[in-house]
Amino acid sequence: AQSVTQLDSQVPVFEEAPVELRCNYSSSVSVYLFWYVQYPNQGLQLLLKYLSGSTLVESINGFEAEFNKSQTSFHLRKPSVHISDTAEYFCAVSDNGNQFYFGTGTSLTVIP
Amino acid sequence: EAQVTQNPRYLITVTGKKLTVTCSQNMNHEYMSWYRQDPGLGLRQIYYSMNVEVTDKGDVPEGYKVSRKEKRNFPLILESPSPNQTSLYFCASGPLRGTDTQYFGPGTRLTVL
Repeated sequence: AQSVTQLDSQVPVFEEAPVELRCNYSSSVSVYLFWYVQYPNQGLQLLLKYLSGSTLVESINGFEAEFNKSQTSFHLRKPSVHISDTAEYFCAVSDNGNQFYFGTGTSLTVIP
Repeated sequence: EAQVTQNPRYLITVTGKKLTVTCSQNMNHEYMSWYRQDPGLGLRQIYYSMNVEVTDKGDVPEGYKVSRKEKRNFPLILESPSPNQTSLYFCASGPLRGTDTQYFGPGTRLTVL
């Protein structure tokens, strides 16, 4: 079984500042990696995913994540955050594409 | 509107009283999955299904049952609920596999007394 570690449970950041949310997973030959976002009182929404190919993946709202196999990491970054980015962010890993392991989540709070 | 629906949204019950949480999707998705969300533990997968009559255990299947008799429905059954099953439950579906975008339902908050 995989394990996913999100070291930062809460990340406060000022509006327009950059942010990085960290995600590490236990090693495997090949993995699929995901970031999901959960806004208050809602279900999760896929933010971005890495399946294969380029190790840098981007979302439509300015987030990006880089797959680093040697460090077994998939950190999420945004160069300039907005108030609307305030949410809970979950990193997830899958070995087979059907069974998933989620991290404990990082609560991002953007301060005006 | 394409969506995943769950019923009920809120449920308070007592230990040992069998209950079913329904999940339905109208997107003709093959893949469906159940998760529970607990503070400090994130989401944990309970069961998933890759097609009708094909189900498999996730990370925390103990105390739960599922069935997939129709493509659109994937009910979660708690035969004898216990207080440690108090949680927020999410159903999700995806077109073919879990690596496709999973669409999550609104959640069911279950309290077992």
